[in-house]
Amino acid sequence: GAGVSQSPRYKVAKRGQDVALRCDPISGHVSLFWYQQALGQGPEFLTYFQNEAQLDKSGLPSDRFFAERPEGSVSTLKIQRTQQEDSAVYLCASSLAGQGARGNTIYFGEGSWLTVV
Amino acid sequence: AQRVTQPEKLLSVFKGAPVELKCNYSYSGSPELFWYVQYSRQRLQLLLRHISRESIKGFTADLNKGETSFHLKKPFAQEEDSAMYYCALSGEYGNKLVFGAGTILRVKS
Repeated sequence: GAGVSQSPRYKVAKRGQDVALRCDPISGHVSLFWYQQALGQGPEFLTYFQNEAQLDKSGLPSDRFFAERPEGSVSTLKIQRTQQEDSAVYLCASSLAGQGARGNTIYFGEGSWLTVV
Repeated sequence: AQRVTQPEKLLSVFKGAPVELKCNYSYSGSPELFWYVQYSRQRLQLLLRHISRESIKGFTADLNKGETSFHLKKPFAQEEDSAMYYCALSGEYGNKLVFGAGTILRVKS
């Protein structure tokens, strides 16, 4: 596809359930980001991959959050034992260049809306 | 610490009126500043960046390092400008974005 693709678009999880959110970045894009956007807030950085290497995971809120990009393309964000405060939109984004490249355009997916009940 | 502040949650103007969406930032080095826009039911997309110094859809933004501001301006608002606008910055060592909370722009006819 032409853009960043995310699935599922909507997910309702019971508290304590594990969820997995998938991101297909634009083909050939080196950089991949995950952001969390709570209601009424701007997106907040979770983690960054350059190819398959996870270079920054400083934004992951707890050890229940785990992300991977094993082959340097598709990425999965996994949330274990979901809690109500995990309810948010999870945005994936990708860009062509690697870390440190200024003037690099970041393209966002439509997001995965997670509701924990 | 990197921080972006957008003081207005909602800005409502009439069609044809000037628009200014405020953005202030906190960063000790030389950041790159952006405006992102999200139209209804669409994904977040880049509107403009300060290093390009270009006008997109009639919008401009000038980086004022003295006031640490990057306000978005348009002389004559159009109804199709109604959207959520986010100001964001990235630092020198990576392209991770730090976003403000966003401002809803509502252009009334």
